[in-house]
Amino acid sequence: AQTVTQSQPEMSVQEAETVTLSCTYDTSESDYYLFWYKQPPSRQMILVIRQEAYKQQNATENRFSVNFQKAAKSFSLKISDSQLGDAAMYFCAYRREGSQGNLIFGKGTKLSVKP
Amino acid sequence: DAGVTQSPTHLIKTRGQQVTLRCSPKSGHDTVSWYQQALGQGPQFIFQYYEEEERQRGNFPDRFSGHQFPNYSSELNVNALLLGDSALYLCASSTPRDRDNEQFFGPGTRLTVL
Repeated sequence: AQTVTQSQPEMSVQEAETVTLSCTYDTSESDYYLFWYKQPPSRQMILVIRQEAYKQQNATENRFSVNFQKAAKSFSLKISDSQLGDAAMYFCAYRREGSQGNLIFGKGTKLSVKP
Repeated sequence: DAGVTQSPTHLIKTRGQQVTLRCSPKSGHDTVSWYQQALGQGPQFIFQYYEEEERQRGNFPDRFSGHQFPNYSSELNVNALLLGDSALYLCASSTPRDRDNEQFFGPGTRLTVL
């Protein structure tokens, strides 16, 4: 069975600085998707960034980028120029190729941003 | 364009009771997935509905059941509630016509079982 592990329950970053959130996963599949979701106190889960496993190039969305290491089964999220609005729970998630549901989530990392 | 909506926002029940949670998908979406998020945990997949049928199911007992209506909205029913069913229940919608098949989440229903 696939599993997703986030080893950092909490992280803190100074406003305008850079922070990296870690995620590792376990799967025997070769084709899959990886995601980072943000869940602010409003509870609504928002997609931050997506990575297809067959793509070697790391995904980037504005201030958010990932470091995808397929062989190591590692998928970290880097947030540059951190803003107060980035404070939230961040969840790493996995989805098998061809599966239209069944996201498998990690336990999350609570990110605090200090002004 | 309305996003995913869920009702009610909060709900308090007692052990042994039954509860129904509702979800309306984002406009243009036909697939609804339900997740349970216990306090301090990541969401766990319960099941997914497409074309009014349960298409996939996670590791949840039969006390958890669902339904999808012709307008693609969905209900999650939980029978014989246990204290451990207290959680945030998230609904997500998507469509296989979307190449990325991104799931859009609703704000959730907070269920408390006393």
